[in-house]
Amino acid sequence: QLQLQESGPGLVKPSETLALTCTVSGGSISSSSYYWGWIRQPPGKGLEWIATIYYSGSTFYNPSLKSRVTISVDSSKNQFSLRLSSVTAADTAVYYCARIRRYCSMTSCLQDYMDVWGKGTTVTVSS
Amino acid sequence: QSVLTQSPSVSGAPGQRVTISCTGSSSNIGAPYDLHWYQRLPGTAPKLLIYGNNNRPSGVPDRFSGSTSGTSASLAITGLQAEDEGDYYCQTYDSSLSGWVFGGGTKLTVL
Repeated sequence: QLQLQESGPGLVKPSETLALTCTVSGGSISSSSYYWGWIRQPPGKGLEWIATIYYSGSTFYNPSLKSRVTISVDSSKNQFSLRLSSVTAADTAVYYCARIRRYCSMTSCLQDYMDVWGKGTTVTVSS
Repeated sequence: QSVLTQSPSVSGAPGQRVTISCTGSSSNIGAPYDLHWYQRLPGTAPKLLIYGNNNRPSGVPDRFSGSTSGTSASLAITGLQAEDEGDYYCQTYDSSLSGWVFGGGTKLTVL
């Protein structure tokens, strides 16, 4: 059974870089059938998609975060990672990693959905 | 403010039927991009409930069903149970924003 586990510091200072890793177990991150991504949920707010990556290195970023975000994959460790630079209090959130299924309909091949989620890790931005 | 609008809350008694709506626009649900639903129970991570507008992953009871019409989508829950209490989110792609978006979420209370 596929499992995802987020890891990283729970506290980050303003203006610094948030770095998280998602370790995939029970399956290969190099599977051609899946993408991998990060989603966050600030306190009292809804879910926000951050970034998506394919094992080959193809990336997709939320335009509102693109200038500060880097997503990467390490197939040898079966992990993928998130870096978010110049953080502020607004980046305080629960961060989830997820496996993403992508399929094509008659109109588009951007029909992504998240079918397996990690438990989430809380990151607080504070001095 | 999400481009997918959900009512903040909905409630129902055990055994009843409730619907949760998700309203979008011509750049997302109406494009059309498929709509997916997630359930987040208290203290847990989101769980995929419906994908591709009306498909249930293995293990999701048939009490849950999804539908779309134009620029809107609905999640219906029949035979409401206490364990259904939690937050529900819709999600799709938005061509204007060039990214995947979630609704603001609907809190379901079982009375």
